[in-house]
Amino acid sequence: AQSVTQPDIHITVSEGASLELRCNYSYGATPYLFWYVQSPGQGLQLLLKYFSGDTLVQGIKGFEAEFKRSQSSFNLRKPSVHWSDAAEYFCAVEGNDMRFGAGTRLTVKP
Amino acid sequence: DAGVTQSPTHLIKTRGQQVTLRCSPKSGHDTVSWYQQALGQGPQFIFQYYEEEERQRGNFPDRFSGHQFPNYSSELNVNALLLGDSALYLCASSLRQGAAGEQYFGPGTRLTVT
Repeated sequence: AQSVTQPDIHITVSEGASLELRCNYSYGATPYLFWYVQSPGQGLQLLLKYFSGDTLVQGIKGFEAEFKRSQSSFNLRKPSVHWSDAAEYFCAVEGNDMRFGAGTRLTVKP
Repeated sequence: DAGVTQSPTHLIKTRGQQVTLRCSPKSGHDTVSWYQQALGQGPQFIFQYYEEEERQRGNFPDRFSGHQFPNYSSELNVNALLLGDSALYLCASSLRQGAAGEQYFGPGTRLTVT
């Protein structure tokens, strides 16, 4: 069965600084990979997804992610973080079903 | 266009009781999935309904059951509640023939079992 690991439980960055959230997956076949964001009291919102093709995918709110098969990674990046990006971020892989990582909580310092 | 709605928002139950949570999918969607999100954890897949039948199921006991109605709305039922069932329950809707992973999530129902 597929699995997802998000090594960082909590990350703090300054507003305007760059951001990278790590995600490693385990799946035997070509994975469908996703990043979701969850604000307090809200459901999950899809930021971006990778199915095939170009390994650098663009998402909403200025986010992008790069799929690296050799490293089994799908890291999320943003060049300049805004205070409104503070939230919980989840990486997910779809195989037989959807598996989510435990999440990374992002705090943005003014 | 209403998104995914869930009711109730919050619920407090006692151990051993039964609970029913409700979900209305996004307009045009025909598939509903349910997830359990414990505090500090990512969502865990419970099951998925399409055409009023359970199509996929995660690693959850039979105490968790569901139903989908002809209008595509869905219910999640949990019997014999345990303290460990306390969690945020998320409903997600999608189009069966749509792009994989294009799930839209509701705000969730917070269940507390005392």
